Amino acid sequence: DAGITQSPRYKITETGRQVTLMCHQTWSHSYMFWYRQDLGHGLRLIYYSAAADITDKGEVPDGYVVSRSKTENFPLTLESATRSQTSVYFCASSGLAGYNEQFFGPGTRLTVL
Amino acid sequence: AQKVTQAQTEISVVEKEDVTLDCVYETRDTTYYLFWYKQPPSGELVFLIRRNSFDEQNEISGRYSWNFQKSTSSFNFTITASQVVDSAVYFCALSGFETGNQFYFGTGTSLTVIP
Repeated sequence: DAGITQSPRYKITETGRQVTLMCHQTWSHSYMFWYRQDLGHGLRLIYYSAAADITDKGEVPDGYVVSRSKTENFPLTLESATRSQTSVYFCASSGLAGYNEQFFGPGTRLTVL
Repeated sequence: AQKVTQAQTEISVVEKEDVTLDCVYETRDTTYYLFWYKQPPSGELVFLIRRNSFDEQNEISGRYSWNFQKSTSSFNFTITASQVVDSAVYFCALSGFETGNQFYFGTGTSLTVIP
């Protein structure tokens, strides 16, 4: 199906473990983004990518790693998960210019015990 | 710096009432874009509208309308004759020309429409 998908939708892990959240879009959008949503903070940008092999930090990048070897995929890795990384993670994509509206995936709810 | 403030954390209205959600922004950019998104209880984020800084015309889409006023740095959202399906969290967001790839979201307003 066309659109933007995230996997897994739910994940429970333990402190110190590595976790990778997947994001896939079928629109061939240049820009992709990772946000985390926490109560009282709205959505905060973790990392974004303007094209394959081009990534940049957002507002809250510490503890996260991203890569973008293919235009359609933008995985987010928590190298050593901490409880403060318990959150809902949203992936988004947008078209040619970063000023366009962003289209969001369904989110991944991550719990770090 | 870019900043979006949604001072109303939670609003409750009775069905068929009108409700306005406030959004105030700060930016040094002369070219910028403002957005509204809806997050229903199911959790997905749904794009509602985009407005650029050069277009101050109000926008109406069915029961939804938006009032953009550069003089007060506000981009308010009004729902007319609210319905239970309007219950959701609404986010206002800003992106600026100089930080064009980054969205800055407000903390959201949770709207509950009581039948």
